[in-house]
Amino acid sequence: DQQVKQNSPSLSVQEGRISILNCDYTNSMFDYFLWYKKYPAEGPTFLISISSIKDKNEDGRFTVFLNKSAKHLSLHIVPSQPGDSAVYFCAASERRDDKIIFGKGTRLHILP
Amino acid sequence: EPEVTQTPSHQVTQMGQEVILRCVPISNHLYFYWYRQILGQKVEFLVSFYNNEISEKSEIFDDQFSVERPDGSNFTLKIRSTKLEDSAMYFCASSGQGQRRSNEQFFGPGTRLTVL
Repeated sequence: DQQVKQNSPSLSVQEGRISILNCDYTNSMFDYFLWYKKYPAEGPTFLISISSIKDKNEDGRFTVFLNKSAKHLSLHIVPSQPGDSAVYFCAASERRDDKIIFGKGTRLHILP
Repeated sequence: EPEVTQTPSHQVTQMGQEVILRCVPISNHLYFYWYRQILGQKVEFLVSFYNNEISEKSEIFDDQFSVERPDGSNFTLKIRSTKLEDSAMYFCASSGQGQRRSNEQFFGPGTRLTVL
């Protein structure tokens, strides 16, 4: 039962361009959505989150957009930098401090 | 910057043996979690712990698993009799500071458990 889906296992983007990572969800009870970044041999690192009452949240180069009617969210990284190469997990929870449900991840490659 | 730490980084054990994975959450956090990631699969929730008791557990967290906060700093996951399918990366996480609830969980670097 995939409540959080990331349909693109990998994505390659030229350095300096915009990276767009997509995520769909099925559970309408989700109230918080998060993006985590993961390097090999490390734990997931929190990037940015958005609550269901908003449609956009921005933090520096990272912006998350939420379309509740479509049950879709996306993470925009602009401009993309070499250090952004990692696996990005879309995740969601029903309440603050609740368990997080993760997607399978998208591996982002930033090309020089 | 405060961080979640986990020991050991890699644990190799024989099937049927007991293992204890250790975590030191961020000191003023109130909510503690264990997740695991089997190779090639997604990160899965195992259990959450608040106010010295389990607040939620997944169907993966059966009678072979237990958690404990034996003192004010450590948070442990015990697997009583390991199975081959328990081989995975186990992540500890913590969140929540007093009255300010947070949806940001801080993850440790993980313990790679290999069951032979």
